[in-house]
Amino acid sequence: GENVEQHPSTLSVQEGDSAVIKCTYSDSASNYFPWYKQELGKRPQLIIDIRSNVGEKKDQRIAVTLNKTAKHFSLHITETQPEDSAVYFCAASGSYQLTFGKGTKLSVIP
Amino acid sequence: EAQVTQNPRYLITVTGKKLTVTCSQNMNHEYMSWYRQDPGLGLRQIYYSMNVEVTDKGDVPEGYKVSRKEKRNFPLILESPSPNQTSLYFCASSPRLAGGNGAQYFGPGTRLLVL
Repeated sequence: GENVEQHPSTLSVQEGDSAVIKCTYSDSASNYFPWYKQELGKRPQLIIDIRSNVGEKKDQRIAVTLNKTAKHFSLHITETQPEDSAVYFCAASGSYQLTFGKGTKLSVIP
Repeated sequence: EAQVTQNPRYLITVTGKKLTVTCSQNMNHEYMSWYRQDPGLGLRQIYYSMNVEVTDKGDVPEGYKVSRKEKRNFPLILESPSPNQTSLYFCASSPRLAGGNGAQYFGPGTRLLVL
């Protein structure tokens, strides 16, 4: 089955700086790569996703890049704000099953 | 309001006492799924369903059962709960027939403690 590795497990940045979270996947058949944000005590919510026919996708301060050859994808958050503090999960899917990484706890220091 | 609901939200039980966690969505989604979340392990898929009467195992199905008799409901059944099933459980649904290949809408979570 699919295996998703996510790094780092914790990340602290100063407000206004950029944050980068990286994931690798094992199954070359995976073609859908979402990112979820989970605030403390709340449910995960989709923040951005990318499909394998696209190399990069951007939504305001958030961007995701995908390198299919290397089987890795990354989340980039620019101009971080305190409300970006949360746990972020990457995931990969080839069909019906969705496999998550173990999560990155992002802390944005004011 | 479009939503996924779960009940109960919190549950304390004892080893071996059968329990059911209900999940319901009002978005007419074909795909539904159950996950458990444990510290340091992220979200792990237990079971998923592509449509009514169609279910399949995820990564950690042992000790769990599911059923999908109606499109909107996808209950999670623990026939004989054990302490290692203490966890935070999330139900999710997706509008895409390809299921995992679409945005998943999560329920609020059910925190289960098995003594």
